Amino acid sequence: AQSVTQLDSQVPVFEEAPVELRCNYSSSVSVYLFWYVQYPNQGLQLLLKYLSGSTLVKGINGFEAEFNKSQTSFHLRKPSVHISDTAEYFCAVSDRGGGYQKVTFGTGTKLQVIP
Amino acid sequence: NAGVMQNPRHLVRRRGQEARLRCSPVKGHSHVYWYRQLPEEGLKFMVYLQKENIIDESGMPKERFSAEFPKEGPSILRIQQVVRGDSAAYFCASSLGQEEVYEQYFGPGTRLTVT
Repeated sequence: AQSVTQLDSQVPVFEEAPVELRCNYSSSVSVYLFWYVQYPNQGLQLLLKYLSGSTLVKGINGFEAEFNKSQTSFHLRKPSVHISDTAEYFCAVSDRGGGYQKVTFGTGTKLQVIP
Repeated sequence: NAGVMQNPRHLVRRRGQEARLRCSPVKGHSHVYWYRQLPEEGLKFMVYLQKENIIDESGMPKERFSAEFPKEGPSILRIQQVVRGDSAAYFCASSLGQEEVYEQYFGPGTRLTVT
């Protein structure tokens, strides 16, 4: 069984400052990893995903994440945040080899960008 | 350029009533996933359907919940005899293919409130 832990439920950060949203996962098999963003009253939008290859993954809106297998982490980073980045961010995992994406999500981190 | 559509966006039901949630996938997508988000929790997988087939319903409560994805028309998640604990946001996602590399596109969700 998989699980995803997002320790920070809320992260306030000043505009143009860097941000890191933490994500740790556990699984008995190899995994795919995802970050989704949810703006108010909207569905989830895929920010980036790690399937294989380079452990540093670049996504949309200037976000990137690094897969660290030994620490079972997939932290999300942005060097300079904008007001429009205010949203809720979900880390997610699905098992490889399952044949389809049965995704397990974390509880989310609300990013609040302060002007 | 319609994405995943869900209706209604908000649904209020009294205990004991039935709730019907509809999901129209992205045009051309024949794979649908349903997720439930309880307050202060991450999204939890409920069921994965292809046209006219339930592939994996391991996340569905054994009683009162059912899902279908007919050959024509939207996917339906039905909850019979709703209870207060069913109050949650229900998200639908669709994908072009079954394999894990295919991205899931999420709808805006239906927020069910049971009074």
